[in-house]
Amino acid sequence: DTEVTQTPKHLVMGMTNKKSLKCEQHMGHRAMYWYKQKAKKPPELMFVYSYEKLSINESVPSRFSPECPNSSLLNLHLHALQPEDSALYLCASSHGPLGATIYFGEGSWLTVV
Amino acid sequence: DAKTTQPPSMDCAEGRAANLPCNHSTISGNEYVYWYRQIHSQGPQYIIHGLKNNETNEMASLIITEDRKSSTLILPHATLRDTAVYYCIVNNAGNMLTFGGGTRLMVKP
Repeated sequence: DTEVTQTPKHLVMGMTNKKSLKCEQHMGHRAMYWYKQKAKKPPELMFVYSYEKLSINESVPSRFSPECPNSSLLNLHLHALQPEDSALYLCASSHGPLGATIYFGEGSWLTVV
Repeated sequence: DAKTTQPPSMDCAEGRAANLPCNHSTISGNEYVYWYRQIHSQGPQYIIHGLKNNETNEMASLIITEDRKSSTLILPHATLRDTAVYYCIVNNAGNMLTFGGGTRLMVKP
């Protein structure tokens, strides 16, 4: 079982809204990731959590706030986003932060209006 | 991580083998070659990975040259459902996948 579950699949939010994207895995993986993918572009790494601690932040604006409540859950809190933040947000996980295969969820499509 | 170079697009006839090349001439000794694919509007799907030996699983085969500077992903009998963007990624043990442009494979009937 290599399932990473993301909710919601689609989200439309206004620029003044606060919303969250959620990601869950029950594979015992200890590393979790957020990627952002704009249309017709490859995915770009945003954040890496290793053993529930933020280990990598790829200079992501503070309007994106990640949270890892436990080893199975990863959230991405969204506030004061811009229309150019509209994208597919991908969550992924791997057994550990070193040398393990990364498995992706199906993504959450975000539209900022 | 080493940079990879892939052709932007390829066509393949349904039922034939699809051979997708990847150049990674600056790969270092501890870096693996990973292949993922992304079908339209879905998350990337792991296909296969290898270090220096050829690898095969139920989805594909990975052929890595002896000098490790290039590799080929082989889908032995391509179907219409294999139409996707295929990403070749070189990754060290730091486990940060950096996606390049990939190859858009179109399988045609």
